[in-house]
Amino acid sequence: DGGITQSPKYLFRKEGQNVTLSCEQNLNHDAMYWYRQDPGQGLRLIYYSQIVNDFQKGDIAEGYSVSREKKESFPLTVTSAQKNPTAFYLCASSMDYGYTFGSGTRLTVV
Amino acid sequence: GQNIDQPTEMTATEGAIVQINCTYQTSGFNGLFWYQQHAGEAPTFLSYNVLDGLEEKGRFSSFLSRSKGYSYLLLKELQMKDSASYLCAVRDSGGYNKLIFGAGTRLAVHP
Repeated sequence: DGGITQSPKYLFRKEGQNVTLSCEQNLNHDAMYWYRQDPGQGLRLIYYSQIVNDFQKGDIAEGYSVSREKKESFPLTVTSAQKNPTAFYLCASSMDYGYTFGSGTRLTVV
Repeated sequence: GQNIDQPTEMTATEGAIVQINCTYQTSGFNGLFWYQQHAGEAPTFLSYNVLDGLEEKGRFSSFLSRSKGYSYLLLKELQMKDSASYLCAVRDSGGYNKLIFGAGTRLAVHP
C-alpha cells in the first residue's frame, strides 16, 4: 500500500544535540512538506519541497534543515539552534489537490 | 499576510448538529480543506472546496464563500467519536501548493 512513513514515532533529544526525523513516501508525489504542531495548536510550516534538490523555508524554518536528494525522501534535522524543539512533527506529500500525512514523530527534549 | 481564524473550542450534544466556522485572509487562494485530528494522530481529510457553495459527504458538509473569505464545516447526527480537533486549511495559489492551517477547533461531544 502506498503511503508516508515517519520514523521514529517517539524521539528524545538531549539539549545541544542535532536529531534527524525521517520521512519516506512511495506515492510518487512531487511535493513534500514538514509541519510542526504544538499542544492545542494548528500546524505550522517548517520547510517544503516541490522537486529533488529544491526546498524552501516555511514560516518557522529557523533551527531546522532539510534535504531532498531523492523524490521519496525528505528528512528533517532539528539542530541545536532550535531553542524549543519539543513538539509533534508531521510530514506530508501532495499531488494535485490531495495531501497525505505521515503518522508523526513526537520529539521531546530531555 | 496570512490569517485563518477558527473558534478555539466548542461543545455539543450527541445526536445534535454543530457548525464550525473559519474565516481567512490569505495572499492567494486555491481551495480550502477541512481535516479532523484526534490527539497525537495525523490529520485525516474531511472535505475540499474550491468553488462557492456546499459540498456534502455523509454526515459532514462544508460551505465556501470566496468573496467573504468564509467557510464552515457542518457535522450532523453527532457521535462521541466526533470529539476531535477540526482544522481549516487554505491552499496557497503559488506553485508549491502549500497548505496554511488555522489553529484548529477542539470539539467535545457530550452524551
